[in-house]
Amino acid sequence: NAGVTQTPKFQVLKTGQSMTLQCAQDMNHEYMSWYRQDPGMGLRLIHYSVGAGITDQGEVPNGYNVSRSTTEDFPLRLLSAAPSQTSVYFCASSQRPSFGTTNQPQHFGDGTRLSIL
Amino acid sequence: GDSVTQMEGPVTLSEEAFLTINCTYTATGYPSLFWYVQYPGEGLQLLLKATKADDKGSNKGFEATYRKETTSFHLEKGSVQVSDSAVYFCALSNPNAGNNRKLIWGLGTSLAVNP
Repeated sequence: NAGVTQTPKFQVLKTGQSMTLQCAQDMNHEYMSWYRQDPGMGLRLIHYSVGAGITDQGEVPNGYNVSRSTTEDFPLRLLSAAPSQTSVYFCASSQRPSFGTTNQPQHFGDGTRLSIL
Repeated sequence: GDSVTQMEGPVTLSEEAFLTINCTYTATGYPSLFWYVQYPGEGLQLLLKATKADDKGSNKGFEATYRKETTSFHLEKGSVQVSDSAVYFCALSNPNAGNNRKLIWGLGTSLAVNP
């Protein structure tokens, strides 16, 4: 099982450039999320999706777009990169929780380390 | 709103020492509680979880007990190894959040174990 696969692992961009961070999971999970991890700030949710065709904003959505055309893929797009978006980005997926229960554990990719110059 | 508070790191221990990383939470109702671990250069992995009061989660020698009376979920290990060096995150998930069943994260506690 590949689990959650993120590409690329590293990327350097110039301010104003755009790019797409890829995330794919092979576990047929309905829920997928994008986080950014910054020193001293823990994990912050950018966008999430509860199923194909459904996305919603998290805590820090500005400057990012997502789409969910298939269950497997959940790409994150930076529209116009800014130095403040230098971070480590993690994609995560989980099963849909059963009625009356809480989240299933999340499965994380290994991250994309992004530097904006 | 719901929140998770972890003890600040970094925590530095010698091999075979006893580990405690404190985690307390604020939430309505009965959340599920999780500990995740992040090894250097990797993503987060679920370490253990507890879904109701007095449950004890355990894995790889780590334990944590869901204490509703003290709203705590402290992580413990009796004898740490160098390979336990990582960042540990406490998190909660609350069914009262409805469809937005997002995880609420602590800021993480870095652990360094010296030989």
